Amino acid sequence: EAAVTQSPRNKVAVTGGKVTLSCNQTNNHNNMYWYRQDTGHGLRLIHYSYGAGSTEKGDIPDGYKASRPSQENFSLILELATPSQTSVYFCASGEPRDTTNERLFFGHGTKLSVL
Amino acid sequence: GDQVEQSPSALSLHEGTDSALRCNFTTTMRSVQWFRQNSRGSLISLFYLASGTKENGRLKSAFDSKERRYSTLHIRDAQLEDSGTYFCAADPNTGKLTFGDGTVLTVKP
Repeated sequence: EAAVTQSPRNKVAVTGGKVTLSCNQTNNHNNMYWYRQDTGHGLRLIHYSYGAGSTEKGDIPDGYKASRPSQENFSLILELATPSQTSVYFCASGEPRDTTNERLFFGHGTKLSVL
Repeated sequence: GDQVEQSPSALSLHEGTDSALRCNFTTTMRSVQWFRQNSRGSLISLFYLASGTKENGRLKSAFDSKERRYSTLHIRDAQLEDSGTYFCAADPNTGKLTFGDGTVLTVKP
């Protein structure tokens, strides 16, 4: 079973501050993803990566940057946090879509509050 | 999301009963996945389908192989531990998943 670990689990930030959310996966998956989930809604894709050194914009990338320094690690960076970025953030990893098993494995989520 | 419509938005079942959740897609999808989110917020992958049906215990999922415009998740003999929010997510052949807004399932004794 793939292990996806996010840190921190909870974060309180001030408006205008810089926030970095970290994600580590130990299953050697090529693809990694960052989603946010707002109350009563499904997940929306922020950024994703096909492998070390690669970052791609998802559906809602504005206000976020991403970094994939290695196969295992994928970070989400909020350079100037705003209250609208208060949400629960999920990291996921998975195999490329041309393989036979494309299941996504999710971390436990990071609850971010921007005051 | 706009491309993935889940129904119902909420469902209450008594233990031992059967039910079905549905996802309709506004465009042809290449594959679909079903997830359950528990009360602590953890997301667990239930099924990945590129076509046909898959079954795991009391859960069974189907993906319309012809039109590729809907998927269903059947729950048989519902148990208390089945409670949670169920999400479907589909790939319109972009490699990116679009999630529905979820079905909140409550199983009562």
